[in-house]
Formats: sequence, C-alpha cells, structure tokens
Amino acid sequence: GNSVTQMEGPVTLSEEAFLTINCTYTATGYPSLFWYVQYPGEGLQLLLKATKADDKGSNKGFEATYRKETTSFHLEKGSVQVSDSAVYFCALFMMDSSYKLIFGSGTRLLVRP
Amino acid sequence: SQTIHQWPATLVQPVGSPLSLECTVEGTSNPNLYWYRQAAGRGLQLLFYSVGIGQISSEVPQNLSASRPQDRQFILSSKKLLLSDSGFYLCAWSWRGAEQYFGPGTRLTVT
Repeated sequence: GNSVTQMEGPVTLSEEAFLTINCTYTATGYPSLFWYVQYPGEGLQLLLKATKADDKGSNKGFEATYRKETTSFHLEKGSVQVSDSAVYFCALFMMDSSYKLIFGSGTRLLVRP
Repeated sequence: SQTIHQWPATLVQPVGSPLSLECTVEGTSNPNLYWYRQAAGRGLQLLFYSVGIGQISSEVPQNLSASRPQDRQFILSSKKLLLSDSGFYLCAWSWRGAEQYFGPGTRLTVT
C-alpha cells in the first residue's frame, strides 16, 4: 500500500544552520507530495507541495524537490530560525475515490538561538 | 476566503461522559471533511471522513462516531469517553483536491 517514511526526530540545530528533513514514499502510481508544519498547540499548515516528478515546492525559505527516481521529497532550508521550531509532516495524496492524505509520523525540529 | 472553525478549543471530561466536538467551514460548498486525532507526541490518525451530507466513512473502529448534518458542519461524538480518547482533535477540509486545510484543533483531556 501507499506509505510515507520520515526521519526520526527530534532534530536540534543552532540558528542559521542548514536543515534537511528526509522523507521517502511508497506509492503505486504518481502521488502529489506535501509538507505540513505544526507549531506548538496549533493545527497543521500547508507549507509546500509538488504535484509531479522534478517539481520543486517552496515557501518561506523552505524547499523540497519531488524525486521520482529515489521516491523522495526531502525538506531543506538554508538558514533556520528559532521561529522554525515546530513539527514537520510529509504527506502524499493519490487521486482515488477516498481523497485521503497519507501522513508520515512527523519530525520535531528544535532551533536553539 | 475559506475558514475553518473548531470548538471548544480545550475540554476536560471525566471517563464515561459524552462528547461532542464541532467543526464548521465557511466560504466553500460541498467540501470533503476529515477528523484526525493526534496523541501526545505522536503523528496523525485519520478517524473519519465525509464526502457529502450524511456520508461518513470510518477509518478506525472505536467508541467515537461522526455526523454531518449540514454541508459545512462536521461533528465528532462519543456516548462514553475512555481515558485513551485523550488527545488533540483536528478537523480538516478539502475541495476535491489533494490539499487539506486544518482547523486550530481541540485538546481533549479525559480524567
């Protein structure tokens, strides 16, 4: 079946460090891929998306490229800030009758000043 | 623009008591609606989803139920809460597309 695997957290970085959060997927077809962010005590916010191979999603300095050959959608940011501390979820969507998103388990990011 | 509301924001209920959480969406018609639960420090678990009024699909058998009495209203209920029902409950909507948009959540503590 379809699934998403994210790297275990927490990821702890110093401010201005480079961030990579790994995400790989398994899907029987061509999914759309997403990153969501959840700040403490809040709901999830859509951060970025990519709908086909080689697409690059970007928002707020974060980027992720849809790599079909490696079935990956790694999240990157060149210089993290304390305000980026949150939980990040990778998700995939297959166009079938259920309209369901399949989420990874989430990766907590902690950025220290 | 579309907005999604959830209430209450927080709730403390004793074991065995009933539950009713409400979610409403504004600014769109005939959305798909979803209920998720997030246990402390854990990922998201899809509980129910609905593609139309009165149409509910259950993902996980449990003592919770969902109803959609109106197009943009989604209710999560229980007749008797268990300790294991504690968690952060999130409602989300989508409009026939992949992106889902989440509400602010309800934090439920069962004591």
